[in-house]
Amino acid sequence: AQTIHQWPVAEIKAVGSPLSLGCTIKGKSSPNLYWYWQATGGTLQQLFYSITVGQVESVVQLNLSASRPKDDQFILSTEKLLLSHSGFYLCAWSLGVEVFFGKGTRLTVV
Amino acid sequence: QQKVQQSPESLIVPEGGMASLNCTSSDRNVDYFWWYRQHSGKSPKMLMSIFSNGEKEEGRFTVHLNKASLHTSLHIRDSQPSDSALYLCAASITGSFNKLTFGAGTRLAVCP
Repeated sequence: AQTIHQWPVAEIKAVGSPLSLGCTIKGKSSPNLYWYWQATGGTLQQLFYSITVGQVESVVQLNLSASRPKDDQFILSTEKLLLSHSGFYLCAWSLGVEVFFGKGTRLTVV
Repeated sequence: QQKVQQSPESLIVPEGGMASLNCTSSDRNVDYFWWYRQHSGKSPKMLMSIFSNGEKEEGRFTVHLNKASLHTSLHIRDSQPSDSALYLCAASITGSFNKLTFGAGTRLAVCP
């Protein structure tokens, strides 16, 4: 069975500090991978998607970057956090129509 | 840019009652809709999807789609307190599932 693991579960970081969030998908070969962001009380927004290793497309500019170093791994990062980066970050995968979400990372920037 | 509008923003129904949620896309190219449910602090879980005109039923949940008006609705009958959650509608274009656009959601509260 396929599993999606996100890390960390939660983070409290200072403004201006770097950030790295990750997710790993097991049990599926060459899935489409996505990063979504949901501000508190806000809409779920797609940030990035990737259909293959090494290839990432940006959907929304939020001073974040993403990379796919392995087929089953997707990384979200920034060198300098802003207060506006706070929220719920979700990694997701699909191999067709349906999108499956990980459990998410709750990020608080102080 | 495609927009997905959901209404109402929030809804309170009594236990055992019917909840009706609405969703409309502004992009005429959209032809696939999803309904997700997100409990507080959790990730969204897909409830149902629809791409054909008409109705689809799964247990207590029924989804309608009118492709001409790009309007979909979700109906929950015999609502339970465990149905209390944020309901998200999402839309995409066949062949472009990489770009899934979500609405702001309807927050449903089912009161015992």
